[in-house]
Amino acid sequence: QVQLKETGPGLVQPTQTLSITCTVSGFSLTSYYMQWVRQTPGKGLEWMGFIRSGGSTEYNSEFKSRLSISRDTSKNQVFLKMNSLKTEDTGVYYCAREGRGGFDYWGQGVMVTVSS
Amino acid sequence: DIQMTQSPSFLSASVGDRVTINCKASQNINRYLNWYQQKLGEAPKLLIYNANSLQTGIPSRFSGSGSGTDFTLTISSLQPEDVATYFCLQHNSWPYTFGAGTKLELK
Repeated sequence: QVQLKETGPGLVQPTQTLSITCTVSGFSLTSYYMQWVRQTPGKGLEWMGFIRSGGSTEYNSEFKSRLSISRDTSKNQVFLKMNSLKTEDTGVYYCAREGRGGFDYWGQGVMVTVSS
Repeated sequence: DIQMTQSPSFLSASVGDRVTINCKASQNINRYLNWYQQKLGEAPKLLIYNANSLQTGIPSRFSGSGSGTDFTLTISSLQPEDVATYFCLQHNSWPYTFGAGTKLELK
């Protein structure tokens, strides 16, 4: 069955870079777009960006200058990297698959705290 | 950006009640509106996609309606397991945007 699981550092210091991995099973990354969404106390749910089945990316302009999404199809993994972290970036980060009707499967999310 | 205004923020209802939650888009999003259920510590679950299509495996007491700017999620007969937060997502145009959520509790 379709499964997605995010793994990340938990705690990141301000100004540092966040790296999160989304490991998927039950489908191929070459057949679906993969999305990243976060949920913060200040702004609620925010769409961050996606990587297409062909490997190209699109980003929310809110994050564009510091966000990067990539993947390793051989490992069934999608990666999110965001630099210059601020305390306002504290929240839960989700990966989600985009099916024919929008985001159809989500991971449980990974909590990230930005603090010194 | 398209703003999604979701109401109410909190809802208390009894088992068996008919419950409705609304999302209003700041501009036309056609039918590109999804509804999700999120329970504490769990992944969001897709209930309704493209305004009114029931996702496979979701009970038929859940339904969606609307098009353009106004959308509604209806639970025809509330069950205890429906206690959760519900949110909408517009996927008509980038940046995709979400409603602020509705926390549904049992009375």
